[in-house]
Amino acid sequence: AQSVSQHNHHVILSEAASLELGCNYSYGGTVNLFWYVQYPGQHLQLLLKYFSGDPLVKGIKGFEAEFIKSKFSFNLRKPSVQWSDTAEYFCAVNTGNAGKSTFGDGTTLTVKP
Amino acid sequence: DTAVSQTPKYLVTQMGNDKSIKCEQNLGHDTMYWYKQDSKKFLKIMFSYNNKELIINETVPNRFSPKSPDKAHLNLHINSLELGDSAVYFCASSHSGTQNTGELFFGEGSRLTVL
Repeated sequence: AQSVSQHNHHVILSEAASLELGCNYSYGGTVNLFWYVQYPGQHLQLLLKYFSGDPLVKGIKGFEAEFIKSKFSFNLRKPSVQWSDTAEYFCAVNTGNAGKSTFGDGTTLTVKP
Repeated sequence: DTAVSQTPKYLVTQMGNDKSIKCEQNLGHDTMYWYKQDSKKFLKIMFSYNNKELIINETVPNRFSPKSPDKAHLNLHINSLELGDSAVYFCASSHSGTQNTGELFFGEGSRLTVL
């Protein structure tokens, strides 16, 4: 069974700081990778996704992520965070197995104005 | 138009009661899910239905019974509620078969509080 590990449980940054959130997965086969964002009191929304091709994918709101197959990683980055980026971030892996997606435990990002 | 909608958004009830949460999606997806998010924000899949058939059941107590009257609806009924059932329950949907990339479309969540 696949598993997902997010190393940073709580990250606190000041506005304009750069962000990198780690995500590692364990699965030997082909995977589809996702980052979802959950703003306070809201539902999860897709931030970006990787299926194949260019391992550097760009998402909404200036976020990007890089898939490094040899490291089983899919880290999320943003060059300059804003206060409005304060949210919970979830990495997820789908192996195409009956549609089941496995989520990491989430990273809480707090951006101080 | 809300793509995945859940009702109710908030539910406060006593231990031992039975309650239901309803979910509807208008995205034309064949697959629907229930996820549970606990107080620590951990998100765990509970059930998945494809075209009204149960395909994933993740060691959820028998007190939880999903029902899918058609592929656009997936309801969750919970019997004999316990304190530990307090959580936010998210409904989600996705494409199926060769179109299933794993991308999930979530509802706004139903916050259940058991007193």
